[in-house]
Amino acid sequence: QSVLTQPPSVSGAPGQRVTISCTGSSSNIGTGYDVHWYQQLPGTAPKLLIYGNNNRPSGVPDRFSGSKSGTSASLAITGLQAEDEADYYCQSYDSSLSSWVFGGGTKLTVL
Amino acid sequence: DVQLVESGGGLVQSGGSLRLSCAASGFTFSSYSMTWVRQAPGKGLEWVSYISSDSGTIYYADSVRGRFTISRDNAKNSLYLQMNSLRADDTAVYYCATASGWYFQSWGQGTLVTVSS
Repeated sequence: QSVLTQPPSVSGAPGQRVTISCTGSSSNIGTGYDVHWYQQLPGTAPKLLIYGNNNRPSGVPDRFSGSKSGTSASLAITGLQAEDEADYYCQSYDSSLSSWVFGGGTKLTVL
Repeated sequence: DVQLVESGGGLVQSGGSLRLSCAASGFTFSSYSMTWVRQAPGKGLEWVSYISSDSGTIYYADSVRGRFTISRDNAKNSLYLQMNSLRADDTAVYYCATASGWYFQSWGQGTLVTVSS
């Protein structure tokens, strides 16, 4: 059971917009800790996609965006492409656990 | 370009030990905090351990505290994870990553640790 809750899977057709939710609690997202997102393509290492709730590292397309509100956060992907098919993980810090924590991951399927 | 290369994984019996290494290049290693994250087969990511740039601050996940030891050698641009009393549920791909504050910026390709019971 992950501290941060994500839907196991989402899907969308090419060109569409999808969102992935990440729900935490008052000891992590709700207490002000930032949310970060990682993309893991099949058979590869995770890659930082969004940091500090809504910031994109250099090289990440602006089709990817993040937001945070209360105890939840969301990753939005617009103009869906076949190459976006991957697992996506949210991450934050939990003050009760004194630990960095991840969501369980969401598998994105491009139909 | 930042490069992180893990090594030292392999097959070990339950109760055994293994030492993972992470060789860093392409950035000023001594200026960065580092972390280990693992991923069990078919499962999600789990943070394991963190070490500050000067080794003055170290944290462990509850699941490995007392069994794993993180260390670094800034002169050798290397990060280590000494794993003792290994259990079957330690089986995972272990990634090293740079820790930029609260998130993990650059990741290695991972090394697989398999603990047989």
